[in-house]
Amino acid sequence: KAGVTQTPRYLIKTRGQQVTLSCSPISGHRSVSWYQQTPGQGLQFLFEYFSETQRNKGNFPGRFSGRQFSNSRSEMNVSTLELGDSALYLCASSSQGAGGNEQFFGPGTRLTVL
Amino acid sequence: GDSVTQMEGPVTLSEEAFLTINCTYTATGYPSLFWYVQYPGEGLQLLLKATKADDKGSNKGFEATYRKETTSFHLEKGSVQVSDSAVYFCALSQGGSEKLVFGKGTKLTVNP
Repeated sequence: KAGVTQTPRYLIKTRGQQVTLSCSPISGHRSVSWYQQTPGQGLQFLFEYFSETQRNKGNFPGRFSGRQFSNSRSEMNVSTLELGDSALYLCASSSQGAGGNEQFFGPGTRLTVL
Repeated sequence: GDSVTQMEGPVTLSEEAFLTINCTYTATGYPSLFWYVQYPGEGLQLLLKATKADDKGSNKGFEATYRKETTSFHLEKGSVQVSDSAVYFCALSQGGSEKLVFGKGTKLTVNP
C-alpha cells in the first residue's frame, strides 16, 4: 500500500506570493491533518479534515487555508507569504477520525520564502 | 489548552546505555498518548501509544506507561543502539479528533 505522498517536495517562493501544497493520503484513509515544523516552534497543528469537513483549525492566521476533496486528497494554501512561513509542512492521514489512532506522515514539503 | 512538555536534550548516550526521555502533559479529559520518532532524513512514524490510564505501550524495546496520577508518559529503553539515534516526540490527542499536540522533541545521539 502506498504511503502518504506530498507534492511538491521543495518550494522556493518570495514574500507576498501564494503557494498551494498537496497531500494524498493512504488509500482508504478519510482523515487528513496538516502540521508546520520549524526549528523554533517545533510541530504545530494547522488543520484537520475528515470526509471533506474541517474539524479543527490551529492557531494560524487566516492566510493559511485548506480543503479536502471527495477522494480524501487535501490541499493547503498560504497567501501573502512571509519569511516566517519558511518551514517543513507535514501531512498525516489516518483510517478513522475518532482520535487515538496512528497517524501516517508524509515526507513533507520544504517551503522556503525569500 | 492542551500541552505536552518533554525534556529537550540533546541527549547523548553510549551504546547499551539506559534511556529515559521524560514527558508530561496537561489536558482535560482522558487523552491518548503517543511517542513518534523521526529518523534522520525520514518522516515521522509512530513508535508506541497508550489510550488509557495504566496502559503500557511498547515497540522495538521501547516502553512507556500512561500515568494519569502524574500526567506522564516517559519513554524508556534498557539498552540503546546506534540505530536509535533520532528525534523523539511525545504527543497527545483528545477523543473525537486526530489532532496531535506535540512536545518540542528530544534529539538522541547514540555513540558506538
